[in-house]
Amino acid sequence: QVQLQQSGAELMKPGASVKISCKATGYTFSTYWMEWVKQRPGHGLEWIGEIFPGSGSTNYNEKFKGKATFTADPSSNTAYIQLSGLTSEDSAVYYCARERSGGFDCWGQGTLVTVSA
Amino acid sequence: ENVLTQSPAIMSASPGEKVTMTCRASSSVSSSYLHWYQQKSGASPKFWIYSTSNLASGVPARFSGSGSGTSYSLTISSVEAEDAATYYCQQYSGYPYTFGGGTKLEIK
Repeated sequence: QVQLQQSGAELMKPGASVKISCKATGYTFSTYWMEWVKQRPGHGLEWIGEIFPGSGSTNYNEKFKGKATFTADPSSNTAYIQLSGLTSEDSAVYYCARERSGGFDCWGQGTLVTVSA
Repeated sequence: ENVLTQSPAIMSASPGEKVTMTCRASSSVSSSYLHWYQQKSGASPKFWIYSTSNLASGVPARFSGSGSGTSYSLTISSVEAEDAATYYCQQYSGYPYTFGGGTKLEIK
């Protein structure tokens, strides 16, 4: 079955960068957009952007341009998000999710990023 | 950006009650691109209802969705204890994808 397995929780210093992975199994990785979503307590769900692994094409929410960078490795069926210049506002759970027909039909388990000095 | 407003933010229901929550968009959304998710505490969101009214795999038949244009709703015909969760609507009418703020359903 379709599964997305994300890397583990990260504790980061302010100003640092972090890279989160999302390994896909059970479907043809290169043919679906992979989405990234941020969730902070009290802030609901925010769409960060997406990558199409087959071509490397990306779309970013304007709010996250300069903050997030997406990459994908079709040889290992893995997508990545890198977050740079971390601040306390970046402390959140980050999810990858597969896109289908404008919806997100399968989600990873989430990766908690904590930014603290 | 198409802003989605969900109401109520929190609701409480007794087992067996019928409940309805709404999702209003600031601009029209194609019914094909309005979706709902269920998220339980500490878990990832689950694809719950897609394209306004279609139940995702494994979703009980007591759930239903309806709506068009700027107004959509999710209804549970007879609430059960396992339905306690936060429900989010989400739309795609052009970038960016947006989510509503969620409706938290509590079971009495």
